[in-house]
Amino acid sequence: AQSVTQPDIHITVSEGASLELRCNYSYGATPYLFWYVQSPGQGLQLLLKYFSGDTLVQGIKGFEAEFKRSQSSFNLRKPSVHWSDAAEYFCAASSGGSNYKLTFGKGTLLTVNP
Amino acid sequence: GAGVSQSPSNKVTEKGKDVELRCDPISGHTALYWYRQSLGQGLEFLIYFQGNSAPDKSGLPSDRFSAERTGGSVSTLTIQRTQQEDSAVYLCASSSNPYNEQFFGPGTRLTVL
Repeated sequence: AQSVTQPDIHITVSEGASLELRCNYSYGATPYLFWYVQSPGQGLQLLLKYFSGDTLVQGIKGFEAEFKRSQSSFNLRKPSVHWSDAAEYFCAASSGGSNYKLTFGKGTLLTVNP
Repeated sequence: GAGVSQSPSNKVTEKGKDVELRCDPISGHTALYWYRQSLGQGLEFLIYFQGNSAPDKSGLPSDRFSAERTGGSVSTLTIQRTQQEDSAVYLCASSSNPYNEQFFGPGTRLTVL
């Protein structure tokens, strides 16, 4: 079955530190990949997406993600975290083709210490 | 322009009652999705509408759940005979075509007492 795994339920970092959130996928073929962020009481906002091409993708708010086919991973990174980055982060995938529904990971809650 | 809107933002109902949740997609978006976010199950796909095609209902958890999309725009998700396990946040998303990113609404928080 198709699945997306985020191994870390909760991560705490200090403001200004670097961040990496992990995401692994299990699909028959390379899926379309996404990272969304959800602030408390808010809907989901797209940070970045990967369809094909360059494996390092840039997103909004200074985030980037790298697609690694050999590791079935699509990890999210940010060089310097801001207090406003505290939120829950979701990795998601879709098969593309005729099936566009998103399969989400369970999410990683990010806490930022001052 | 306006984003995806959902109403009501909160709904409290009693077990056994029917509820209707509404989604207004971004104008011109042909694809519309419903997802459910609950503590135990995370974010789950429920149903997908694309233009005039038959919807993909493969994520609906039971026959108590149904959805329609009138005129290719507004969608209503109906839950009949609600159960406590239906308590969750119901999220709607739309996109300009299936290849593009999905824009999410703020969700409807449903509480079944």
